[in-house]
Amino acid sequence: QKEVEQDPGPLSVPEGAIVSLNCTYSNSAFQYFMWYRQYSRKGPELLMYTYSSGNKEDGRFTAQVDKSSKYISLFIRDSQPSDSATYLCAMKGGFNKFYFGSGTKLNVKP
Amino acid sequence: EPEVTQTPSHQVTQMGQEVILRCVPISNHLYFYWYRQILGQKVEFLVSFYNNEISEKSEIFDDQFSVERPDGSNFTLKIRSTKLEDSAMYFCASRDTATNEKLFFGSGTQLSVL
Repeated sequence: QKEVEQDPGPLSVPEGAIVSLNCTYSNSAFQYFMWYRQYSRKGPELLMYTYSSGNKEDGRFTAQVDKSSKYISLFIRDSQPSDSATYLCAMKGGFNKFYFGSGTKLNVKP
Repeated sequence: EPEVTQTPSHQVTQMGQEVILRCVPISNHLYFYWYRQILGQKVEFLVSFYNNEISEKSEIFDDQFSVERPDGSNFTLKIRSTKLEDSAMYFCASRDTATNEKLFFGSGTQLSVL
């Protein structure tokens, strides 16, 4: 079983839609959860960062962590064409190691 | 805003040649990483570095790979004898303290091995 599972998509939505991106993980020791946005041939850019279970909101983005289900989500409200990118979930395990999902490619159509 | 910088942005080399990929992490950061991403695939962990030594490495990071922090600002990844399958985007990343889990990435070096 992979440490982190993420549906690769692609996910195509119309502009203004609510987008839901999800990851599951297997290691109950993971404590820190992150979402990165990656544009084509660029480095991942940190979008959201949460610790343990709960919700965190930043503008149009909401990150949600459910540790009991080992499930994390990123919601994007009022999606824009500029949100078109690959979204990577990541989580920290051990002293100094981060685990990444395979990324979900999102396309927001004007 | 401080950022991780990587040079070169694109490196082309012949199979069997040595390459050095360079990174300048954010100045007050103490933990450094190299990741790679083969086109269309996931971001893969290579190695982490703290206090002038490797703290963790993956199976990918074999004897052909080495890392170094030659001075107070640079962090390098060396591949001694490149293989075709080393062709990938290599990302450097850094974070500041043990309690801050925010990992910041550079824009990457696209390595093409011919």
